[in-house]
Amino acid sequence: NAGVTQTPKFQVLKTGQSMTLQCAQDMNHEYMSWYRQDPGMGLRLIHYSVGAGITDQGEVPNGYNVSRSTTEDFPLRLLSAAPSQTSVYFCASSYRRDTQYFGPGTRLTVL
Amino acid sequence: QQPVQSPQAVILREGEDAVINCSSSKALYSVHWYRQKHGEAPVFLMILLKGGEQKGHEKISASFNEKKQQSSLYLTASQLSYSGTYFCGTGLQGAQKLVFGQGTRLTINP
Repeated sequence: NAGVTQTPKFQVLKTGQSMTLQCAQDMNHEYMSWYRQDPGMGLRLIHYSVGAGITDQGEVPNGYNVSRSTTEDFPLRLLSAAPSQTSVYFCASSYRRDTQYFGPGTRLTVL
Repeated sequence: QQPVQSPQAVILREGEDAVINCSSSKALYSVHWYRQKHGEAPVFLMILLKGGEQKGHEKISASFNEKKQQSSLYLTASQLSYSGTYFCGTGLQGAQKLVFGQGTRLTINP
């Protein structure tokens, strides 16, 4: 079991560029979520999904898109990167609302 | 909607006890506790469900007061390995998502 994997681990973007953060899990979990973590702000929910084809917004969804075409994958798209999106991004999965398993994170810098 | 944690930071000597609190203004279905070491992903510690069911960790315990929408995490006889930032995550009644507090930084010194 690889658990939750995220790619890339590090990324530097210029303002206005777009990119996709990848997240995959091999635990057959229904629930998947994306969080961003900024110093002193804790973990803030961006988007989440309760199953393939079902997504919903979290606390800070602006500037991000998600889709869930399979149970395993939950990519996060940055449409037009801004310096305010510099952060560490964590993907997590869980069986229903039980224990969340976090991926190792992607450290994103937007210049 | 974000739960509030207190204290924001605490410094202890090895062997001392700590209590971290988490409170919400909304009716809670569940409270989750996670610990995060610097530069690493959060790791699950404990989950408390409405109705009293509790799952968790050997040397760390927690309580869940449903009426007050509050939870407390108790770390007894703290060890150096307990250092890190602790987050509570709250699941609201009728909601699917988990929302985290801002974290409590715990430092254990020898």
